[in-house]
Amino acid sequence: ENVLTQSPDTLSLSPGERATLSCRASQSINSRFLAWYQQKPGQAPRLLIYGTSSRATGIPDRFSGSGSGTDFTLTITRLEPEDFAVYYCQQYGSSPLTFGPGTKVDIK
Amino acid sequence: QITLKESGPTLVKPTQTLTLTCTFSGFSLSTSGVAVGWIRQPPGKALEWLALIYWNDDERYSPSLESRLTITKDTSKNQVVLTMTNMDPVDTGTYYCAHSLDFWSGYDRYYYGLDVWGQGTTVTVSS
Repeated sequence: ENVLTQSPDTLSLSPGERATLSCRASQSINSRFLAWYQQKPGQAPRLLIYGTSSRATGIPDRFSGSGSGTDFTLTITRLEPEDFAVYYCQQYGSSPLTFGPGTKVDIK
Repeated sequence: QITLKESGPTLVKPTQTLTLTCTFSGFSLSTSGVAVGWIRQPPGKALEWLALIYWNDDERYSPSLESRLTITKDTSKNQVVLTMTNMDPVDTGTYYCAHSLDFWSGYDRYYYGLDVWGQGTTVTVSS
């Protein structure tokens, strides 16, 4: 099983600041199979990024993804009030599909 | 527009079998590359993948839960059903279904993530 770890657990930032979230895999992942999701309280997760760096439909360009091998990053260039949420990375390069434990981005 | 909606009991007793239904629209589960997955989330905790069924009847399960899970599809009804046996209080949480696109073109595989999710259904396991 490809275990994903995310850091930090919590990121406390102010609106307008840049957020950098990390996802590390225990085994190398083909970049096609790494995705990121956003989840707000009481809501279902929403796909942000697939294929490491491709934005899903309707996702603003302040969200970007990068990385390769075992290290991947989600960057939010300028935090908007609606961006404060929990973010999960997910891989399906190999079965089973796995999620990371999440990074909470909260307001400083 | 793709939509999915989960339905099932909100309360089950320990040792009982849970049956959840995902009813979807906007796509066909007979289209090449299409899949529907189930994911759960205990209160205050992270997402956990449970199972996935593909357009071609291929089934995939979480290894830790495989012995308790069965996923089936009814293409004519646009439904996917997940059954989980021997329910325990630790299985309490919100259960989601989601659409995915995952296909091969020649020797290359393409994966587009779990791109549309249902609203989720809350299941409590308690006597």
